[in-house]
Amino acid sequence: GAVVSQHPSWVICKSGTSVKIECRSLDFQATTMFWYRQFPKQSLMLMATSNEGSKATYEQGVEKDKFLINHASLTLSTLTVTSAHPEDSSFYICSATGQVDQPQHFGDGTRLSIL
Amino acid sequence: DAKTTQPTSMDCAEGRAANLPCNHSTISGNEYVYWYRQIHSQGPQYIIHGLKNNETNEMASLIITEDRKSSTLILPHATLRDTAVYYCIVSSPGNQFYFGTGTSLTVIP
Repeated sequence: GAVVSQHPSWVICKSGTSVKIECRSLDFQATTMFWYRQFPKQSLMLMATSNEGSKATYEQGVEKDKFLINHASLTLSTLTVTSAHPEDSSFYICSATGQVDQPQHFGDGTRLSIL
Repeated sequence: DAKTTQPTSMDCAEGRAANLPCNHSTISGNEYVYWYRQIHSQGPQYIIHGLKNNETNEMASLIITEDRKSSTLILPHATLRDTAVYYCIVSSPGNQFYFGTGTSLTVIP
């Protein structure tokens, strides 16, 4: 149980385009979803917290107008990287949790490369 | 910021127990200790979590000191597939995770 699916797993885009990443909880209702970014040989860095039906809460230093997060249902959250540039190239990972005593379960990540 | 400190790297012989320590001296009363591992280019995999009692599941055991300022993750019989980066995280249920640098465990044949 507690499966989180992320799509796409890998995407290459031209600079200036926008990219949408989906995160789905397949077998539970995710009241809260989290988005992380990970650069090579570094740890995961929390970008934002998303509660279903509410605006996302962004960590300090994360541009909310650049990284648009939508959590419209209990099983789906999306991260849109707007006007992506090469410096946005990274490994983006989502996680989800349902009941308050349930640990976070992570997707397998999306590798984004901006040319 | 992460509230945990872990050794940067460790080696373990295949078939032996791997003991991974974690210090969390500023842990609050309602914060749990969570352990995850990450194999290259994948999302973190949940291993185990606990509040103050020792916990065991099919993957590992978690030993938390009585003062809760440190813990140890035990993989009883390490295999080559256990080679990964292991993260110890403290957080209240449902709250954010702030990852530290983790421990890179290498299981040696």
